[in-house]
Amino acid sequence: DAKTTQPPSMDCAEGRAANLPCNHSTISGNEYVYWYRQIHSQGPQYIIHGLKNNETNEMASLIITEDRKSSTLILPHATLRDTAVYYCIVRPNQAGTALIFGKGTTLSVSS
Amino acid sequence: AAGVIQSPRHLIKEKRETATLKCYPIPRHDTVYWYQQGPGQDPQFLISFYEKMQSDKGSIPDRFSAQQFSDYHSELNMSSLELGDSALYFCASTMPGGPPVFGSGTQLSVL
Repeated sequence: DAKTTQPPSMDCAEGRAANLPCNHSTISGNEYVYWYRQIHSQGPQYIIHGLKNNETNEMASLIITEDRKSSTLILPHATLRDTAVYYCIVRPNQAGTALIFGKGTTLSVSS
Repeated sequence: AAGVIQSPRHLIKEKRETATLKCYPIPRHDTVYWYQQGPGQDPQFLISFYEKMQSDKGSIPDRFSAQQFSDYHSELNMSSLELGDSALYFCASTMPGGPPVFGSGTQLSVL
């Protein structure tokens, strides 16, 4: 079963920051937080992942609380092409261990 | 950059027929995952292989089987197809310590 909770939907204006929250209160010490997104009928796309430190890459930033029970994915300047379903997943960084998808957040970016 | 290759992109079968889906991972990736995504559903994990051995198992029906070959490509074999097997089937691959990378999927339609 998925171990994360996300709001079912969010709206964001184009050009503004999109902040997507995720609760993972039962996360284990060896589990990482992964974020993926899926644009209709395409394969899920990796965005970012982290263990306990905040992470940033060319796509997004990941903020993980100190107790690791929640995190926030930040898209700094949302565009229409960021409209997608965003999945927050916790997973040990262990060979062969699957990503288990729960109910993600549908982000709608509008102009 | 090389991506995960899945074939075929589309497949149409009749009930009770068999189907074989193929997945070619990114070079040097040693782990392959299979997912099924029904219409309007989230991706469901089926099975994974690490170094050609089954490493994790999800909700894969007994009618389905899979294996990973010596060149690391993988095949998902589906027998006695049912209407409910109509779905997108995604393959993902990963290298040690890296995040899973998904292919574009195979759309299976069972008539």
